[in-house]
Amino acid sequence: LAKTTQPISMDSYEGQEVNITCSHNNIATNDYITWYQQFPSQGPRFIIQGYKTKVTNEVASLFIPADRKSSTLSLPRVSLSDTAVYYCLVAPNSGYSTLTFGKGTMLLVSP
Amino acid sequence: GAVVSQHPSRVICKSGTSVKIECRSLDFQATTMFWYRQFPKQSLMLMATSNEGSKATYEQGVEKDKFLINHASLTLSTLTVTSAHPEDSSFYICSALGTMNTEAFFGQGTRLTVV
Repeated sequence: LAKTTQPISMDSYEGQEVNITCSHNNIATNDYITWYQQFPSQGPRFIIQGYKTKVTNEVASLFIPADRKSSTLSLPRVSLSDTAVYYCLVAPNSGYSTLTFGKGTMLLVSP
Repeated sequence: GAVVSQHPSRVICKSGTSVKIECRSLDFQATTMFWYRQFPKQSLMLMATSNEGSKATYEQGVEKDKFLINHASLTLSTLTVTSAHPEDSSFYICSALGTMNTEAFFGQGTRLTVV
């Protein structure tokens, strides 16, 4: 599976847009990019998934450049409740044989 | 979205005893489930991949005789921590692959404390 690299931590203030970038230089042709959010003492929660270009849902946008070697999770107008760890995962679009997490990015949103 | 239920959410046991953790996919069938453990302020560490009807595949360094995994049906996988010791205290999380195998759904986790 493609290894991912993310910043260890990021700080922001309420109402700001936050962009978290993930590097995955050896992403394979059939790999999808998925982002998860985890609060303390809870299981990860799915945020968004994409393959190329841009994907948007009600909580976030995911930007993927043409070479797909990186991706950026964009959280618009964050609130205190967005303080969490965000994980970027890269895996094939079918038949996962394994699902490995990187270190994730700890986002701290302050008032 | 699909729901994965993990039980119990919290358990305290005595050293030397065994603890079973259940992971159920409530509204979908999961051919593949994953088990993780997570220490404070660290990422999820994959312990094993569980496929329905076959033996689990354990990650390097994970003792299969200590962490028994059973995936007897398409909606249930169990992790049994045998002869638990204080160092086994951790947060254990399961995950199940959805029908299309493109999205993994996670349980709420189990906080195990061995005293």
